[in-house]
Amino acid sequence: DTGVSQDPRHKITKRGQNVTFRCDPISEHNRLYWYRQTLGQGPEFLTYFQNEAQLEKSRLLSDRFSAERPKGSFSTLEIQRTEQGDSAMYLCASSLSESSPLHFGNGTRLTVT
Amino acid sequence: SQKIEQNSEALNIQEGKTATLTCNYTNYSPAYLQWYRQDPGRGPVFLLLIRENEKEKRKERLKVTFDTTLKQSLFHITASQPADSATYLCALDGDRDDKIIFGKGTRLHILP
Repeated sequence: DTGVSQDPRHKITKRGQNVTFRCDPISEHNRLYWYRQTLGQGPEFLTYFQNEAQLEKSRLLSDRFSAERPKGSFSTLEIQRTEQGDSAMYLCASSLSESSPLHFGNGTRLTVT
Repeated sequence: SQKIEQNSEALNIQEGKTATLTCNYTNYSPAYLQWYRQDPGRGPVFLLLIRENEKEKRKERLKVTFDTTLKQSLFHITASQPADSATYLCALDGDRDDKIIFGKGTRLHILP
């Protein structure tokens, strides 16, 4: 299966620690998206990339969040100085181009204690 | 700012009947609209995409309509089955950019 993969599936961390998540998109997909989802809510947009260029970052994101996509392949999302409010499912998706359907991974569930 | 609204209540439908889910949007005109299915603990799965110049699209038991005057999309599942029980998400391209934004989703329960 060459779908979108995310690692780790689950992460438990103490408040104040830094965490990093990885996303491997479908290989020929140029677009890569990060979303955050909490229980009972839809995916909330965080940021997206066209190849290695970060096109937009949500105004809802604090400076503690940063994402990279070196060489336009895999992407990482880092959260510094985690807070309990960061506890959520972090979803990655990729698409072939603008206006193409998104292909999601199964997410990384973050719990901040 | 742009806003997407889906039925916030769960929808219970008897097996074999048609389930109809609603997605309303305000404050902008998307070029296309998508529907996704999400099961617990999994990422959303793409179902259908409909463009602003299309009125209706079908795929097997699924049908989507897109009314740009009403700013509404309807998602229908005919001959519903218990396996159709899931959360269904509506998604649109953003206003003045092409990021994809999602509604909160509607939980659908098909009762045997």
